[in-house]
Amino acid sequence: GAGVSQTPSNKVTEKGKYVELRCDPISGHTALYWYRQSLGQGPEFLIYFQGTGAADDSGLPNDRFFAVRPEGSVSTLKIQRTERGDSAVYLCASRPSAGTKAFFGQGTRLTVV
Amino acid sequence: AQTVTQSQPEMSVQEAETVTLSCTYDTSESNYYLFWYKQPPSRQMILVIRQEAYKQQNATENRFSVNFQKAAKSFSLKISDSQLGDTAMYFCAFAASGTYKYIFGTGTRLKVLA
Repeated sequence: GAGVSQTPSNKVTEKGKYVELRCDPISGHTALYWYRQSLGQGPEFLIYFQGTGAADDSGLPNDRFFAVRPEGSVSTLKIQRTERGDSAVYLCASRPSAGTKAFFGQGTRLTVV
Repeated sequence: AQTVTQSQPEMSVQEAETVTLSCTYDTSESNYYLFWYKQPPSRQMILVIRQEAYKQQNATENRFSVNFQKAAKSFSLKISDSQLGDTAMYFCAFAASGTYKYIFGTGTRLKVLA
């Protein structure tokens, strides 16, 4: 596609529910990143994929958060037993293997009520 | 661990004037990159300018330029001839060579006044 696509754009869920956030990177980009941006803050790193494997998941806050990229393209961020503190904008970015610049999607705003 | 600090939560500038946004960082890495990203209300992060740490020459992109002081670990952004469309949040970011995992500052909200 022309850019990084994230769906849904907005998601409202009840506390305790399970949610999935999807990221479609730019075609051919091997690196994919997830970030979380809380209100009034800069984005914080969650996880980085190189191809299908998670090269660095040190930013995942706890075991309720999990992400996959089974075919090296689309990625899904999964959050179990959501809490109100999970409310944030979740940003996805992709990067070509030989590049230094990451291209961001418009994010998914998750609201846990 | 790397850290990025932006000490100006908010700034304003008159249209057509010049404004400078500050950023300092801390790292023990030798190969890294520094970035300024713009985030309008649409949430889209837009790359404004990029600096390779191994280059001494300051990067320039049209009205945007940086003052990169490697020894002081300082990376400020200068916007010349400010335009109303420059109104946005601006984030400074660090990325080590290899993973290019970004570490962002807390941002500066810039408002350009007509």
